[in-house]
Amino acid sequence: SQKIEQNSEALNIQEGKTATLTCNYTNYSPAYLQWYRQDPGRGPVFLLLIRENEKEKRKERLKVTFDTTLKQSLFHITASQPADSATYLCALVNQAGTALIFGKGTTLSVSS
Amino acid sequence: DTGVSQDPRHKITKRGQNVTFRCDPISEHNRLYWYRQTLGQGPEFLTYFQNEAQLEKSRLLSDRFSAERPKGSFSTLEIQRTEQGDSAMYLCASSPDRAADTQYFGPGTRLTVL
Repeated sequence: SQKIEQNSEALNIQEGKTATLTCNYTNYSPAYLQWYRQDPGRGPVFLLLIRENEKEKRKERLKVTFDTTLKQSLFHITASQPADSATYLCALVNQAGTALIFGKGTTLSVSS
Repeated sequence: DTGVSQDPRHKITKRGQNVTFRCDPISEHNRLYWYRQTLGQGPEFLTYFQNEAQLEKSRLLSDRFSAERPKGSFSTLEIQRTEQGDSAMYLCASSPDRAADTQYFGPGTRLTVL
């Protein structure tokens, strides 16, 4: 079955630095991968989707890469701010295309 | 577009009681999903509707769980004879009528079973 791993449960960085979060997957070759942000007590919010034929995608201070050979996606937040503190979830669509499979998430804390 | 709404936001119940949650998706979205999330975990898929048809159910959805989406609009998730292990955040999401692309999540219903 498809499996997703987000290597770090928690990441602490200082304001202004770049945060890099990792997502690895196995047993599957997804057509696309997504990243969501989740704040405590709230539902996930979509951030970015990257397709298998896209190596990199950017949105404001966010950048996502997708390496289908390594089966890995990297999620970068540049010039991080305390407001970026949240849990970031990586997600793949299942093989049936009917639902998302989420990683456990990485909780990012940005200190000022 | 008012987003996905869920009701109630919090529910505390005693073991053995039945509970029902409601989800109102974004109005033009044909697809509706239910997920469950426990502390420190990502959301886990429970079930999926295309309009009023329930097309897929996870093995996590035991026979104590039932979901409906009458008329293809709002959806309800009922848990019968609740157990302490049912304590979790229950999330509803919706998406337009294509493959499980971007999903729009509601705020969730936090269930606590005492």
